Amino acid sequence: RKEVEQDPGPFNVPEGATVAFNCTYSNSASQSFFWYRQDCRKEPKLLMSVYSSGNEDGRFTAQLNRASQYISLLIRDSKLSDSATYLCVVTRPGSNYQLIWGAGTKLIIKP
Amino acid sequence: EPEVTQTPSHQVTQMGQEVILRCVPISNHLYFYWYRQILGQKVEFLVSFYNNEISEKSEIFDDQFSVERPDGSNFTLKIRSTKLEDSAMYFCASSPPLQPQHFGDGTRLSIL
Repeated sequence: RKEVEQDPGPFNVPEGATVAFNCTYSNSASQSFFWYRQDCRKEPKLLMSVYSSGNEDGRFTAQLNRASQYISLLIRDSKLSDSATYLCVVTRPGSNYQLIWGAGTKLIIKP
Repeated sequence: EPEVTQTPSHQVTQMGQEVILRCVPISNHLYFYWYRQILGQKVEFLVSFYNNEISEKSEIFDDQFSVERPDGSNFTLKIRSTKLEDSAMYFCASSPPLQPQHFGDGTRLSIL
């Protein structure tokens, strides 16, 4: 089983729609969770950290389910500029620094 | 907003040569990192650095690689005896303690 697993997509979504991705992680001892976005051939950019209670930042909502070992990202009222690859990232158990990256879910917002 | 800067943006090198990739982390960050991303593949952790020493490294970070903080602002990754498979984007990142990492826009390394 991969350490961090994501549906690669692509998800083709009309502008204004709501879209959700999930990500599963293999090690229940992982402590910190993040969503990054990456545009083609660009650096990853932090979208949001994911907290146990769930958190929201504007149109973006992240949820963590420790029992099932998955995290989710919901994007409401999607914009053309949301087109990117969304990377699920967890910290390696026992490490403060090592980030384990999913391969990403590609999102394409269509006008 | 402060950002991590990396130079060069693109480095082309003959196989077997040594390369040094440079990074200037965000000034008040204490933790520094190098990652690589082979084209079409996922981001991979290489090494983390704190207090002038390596704090963690991955299996990828073998004797071919080294990092250094030669002065108060730069953080470098040296790759010796480069191989074709070292071709990738190399990202530097920095962070405060236990905070999310912020990435530079990367150096594209092409080994010929």
